[in-house]
Amino acid sequence: DGGITQSPKYLFRKEGQNVTLSCEQNLNHDAMYWYRQDPGQGLRLIYYSQIVNDFQKGDIAEGYSVSREKKESFPLTVTSAQKNPTAFYLCASSISGSGYEQYFGPGTRLTVT
Amino acid sequence: GQQLNQSPQSMFIQEGEDVSMNCTSSSIFNTWLWYKQEPGEGPVLLIALYKAGELTSNGRLTAQFGITRKDSFLNISASIPSDVGIYFCAGQGSSNTGKLIFGQGTTLQVKP
Repeated sequence: DGGITQSPKYLFRKEGQNVTLSCEQNLNHDAMYWYRQDPGQGLRLIYYSQIVNDFQKGDIAEGYSVSREKKESFPLTVTSAQKNPTAFYLCASSISGSGYEQYFGPGTRLTVT
Repeated sequence: GQQLNQSPQSMFIQEGEDVSMNCTSSSIFNTWLWYKQEPGEGPVLLIALYKAGELTSNGRLTAQFGITRKDSFLNISASIPSDVGIYFCAGQGSSNTGKLIFGQGTTLQVKP
């Protein structure tokens, strides 16, 4: 089955630690995206990548970093510089960067205490 | 920047009723998408619209791309309990980045 996987589903970390969230897709999509969702709010774009070895900042990139070394994978690192890291993180992909639907993974809920 | 205004914010309806929600934008979009999200899960794409005036159905769901290209509507007919969730609209402008602008969501609750 083709799709997007995110792991783990729940993640707990202590304040001051960096943490990396996994996102893998086997849809052969070129573009991948990371969003953050807070309770009762819409989705805000963190980073996106239209092609391997290239990525751009979204609206709320501060305190986050990404890499895109393989087409299938787009891991997100939440660094200790992110002031409010507790949130629901969603990864998405699309065939190409423009004019195509985005498909989402199941999400990772990160709790930092 | 571009913003989407989605309304209503929440709806509590009786099973069997029809539902309407809409999104309006301050600027023109080339693509409108409608998603449904259930608690603790990722959004699932319901309908994608690509042309002004386009009307597309997916089962009991019907969505329209507004003729001005600044709005879109989603209707659900004969609601059932499993329609419960948060419905998001998303629009994409003319930039070549694939960036989507999301509405704040409409929370739908259905009373059996």
